[in-house]
Amino acid sequence: KQEVTQIPAALSVPEGENLVLNCSFTDSAIYNLQWFRQDPGKGLTSLLLIQSSQREQTSGRLNASLDKSSGRSTLYIAASQPGDSATYLCAVGDNYGQNFVFGPGTRLSVLP
Amino acid sequence: NAGVMQNPRHLVRRRGQEARLRCSPMKGHSHVYWYRQLPEEGLKFMVYLQKENIIDESGMPKERFSAEFPKEGPSILRIQQVVRGDSAAYFCASSPDFSPGPLHFGNGTRLTVT
Repeated sequence: KQEVTQIPAALSVPEGENLVLNCSFTDSAIYNLQWFRQDPGKGLTSLLLIQSSQREQTSGRLNASLDKSSGRSTLYIAASQPGDSATYLCAVGDNYGQNFVFGPGTRLSVLP
Repeated sequence: NAGVMQNPRHLVRRRGQEARLRCSPMKGHSHVYWYRQLPEEGLKFMVYLQKENIIDESGMPKERFSAEFPKEGPSILRIQQVVRGDSAAYFCASSPDFSPGPLHFGNGTRLTVT
């Protein structure tokens, strides 16, 4: 059974810092991995999708990497801004295409 | 191209009543997923449906919960005889025909059981 963990659970940084969020999964037989952000009281917004054959994806100040063999993904946020404050979740798509398993999330606060 | 639409946004039910949550996937998407998010907890998978078929319901409680995705119309998550522990945010997501494609989420339905 796939299990997904995220470290740290919460993170508070001053504006302008570069930061890394971590996601680990137990079963490396994944189809893809997706990073989301969730604002309080809102739904999830997709940030980046990495297919299992890819090593990384970039969008603006965001860069996500995937290392299937070690069961890890990182989300790198450059030059953080207060508007980046949200909960960041990673979700692993299993190899049968049936299910996405979510991590518990990292709650990020960027202080002005 | 409208996103995933869920309604109602907020739903209040008394214990013992029924709750019906609706989800219209993005245009062209035939895969629908339902997730539940309890306060201060992560998203928990409930059920995965394609048109007229339940593909995986391993996350659904055995009693009182059911889901459908008819040929026409939205997907429905139905909770019978609600209890206080059912209070949560229920999110629907859809993905394109190739699976598993990227998930697109609705804004959720927040169910409160009084």
